[in-house]
Amino acid sequence: QQQVKQSPQSLIVQKGGISIINCAYENTAFDYFPWYQQFPGKGPALLIAIRPDVSEKKEGRFTISFNKSAKQFSLHIMDSQPGDSATYFCAAATQGGKLIFGQGTELSVKP
Amino acid sequence: DAGVTQSPTHLIKTRGQQVTLRCSPKSGHDTVSWYQQALGQGPQFIFQYYEEEERQRGNFPDRFSGHQFPNYSSELNVNALLLGDSALYLCASSPSTGEGPQHFGDGTRLSIL
Repeated sequence: QQQVKQSPQSLIVQKGGISIINCAYENTAFDYFPWYQQFPGKGPALLIAIRPDVSEKKEGRFTISFNKSAKQFSLHIMDSQPGDSATYFCAAATQGGKLIFGQGTELSVKP
Repeated sequence: DAGVTQSPTHLIKTRGQQVTLRCSPKSGHDTVSWYQQALGQGPQFIFQYYEEEERQRGNFPDRFSGHQFPNYSSELNVNALLLGDSALYLCASSPSTGEGPQHFGDGTRLSIL
């Protein structure tokens, strides 16, 4: 019940395309859903986050869509660029801040 | 404004040894969490410290212990190292328990021979 399932494991997108990564959770006590971006040799960097009272949040080229009834949320990267090539992690947390991470998606954006 | 800093960057130990990893939180943050990230996996929560006390703990054996100092910096100690402890150890800080996003350092890469 504490798991967060992420898909796909890897993704190849052409420059200018849309990258979509999906996550699903079981624990309805989760109330904070961040996405992190991680480059090789670096720690995860917070990209964008959403709380369950909002169905969508957009920051620049990054959008989170949240479906509370389905217990699913997704990250959309519009106009994907080669510099977006990284590993992306979804996560979920309850009050108290313990983050439960998905398995990660390795994104490669081809020029 | 310095972010989360961790030391050392890399460490090589042998089985059975003990190791101490260090973390300085981002300025203004008082809560520190530790995560273990195995190669190709998502980070897994080890424990969280707030007001110098362990507030939450993940599913890790008591070989893993920690400490938080009055200046909010923290240490992660691992005793009786096993080959399976080889991983990237990440420290994250946040403004206070349950509030604000967690900011991660670049981690300590621990290799066990």
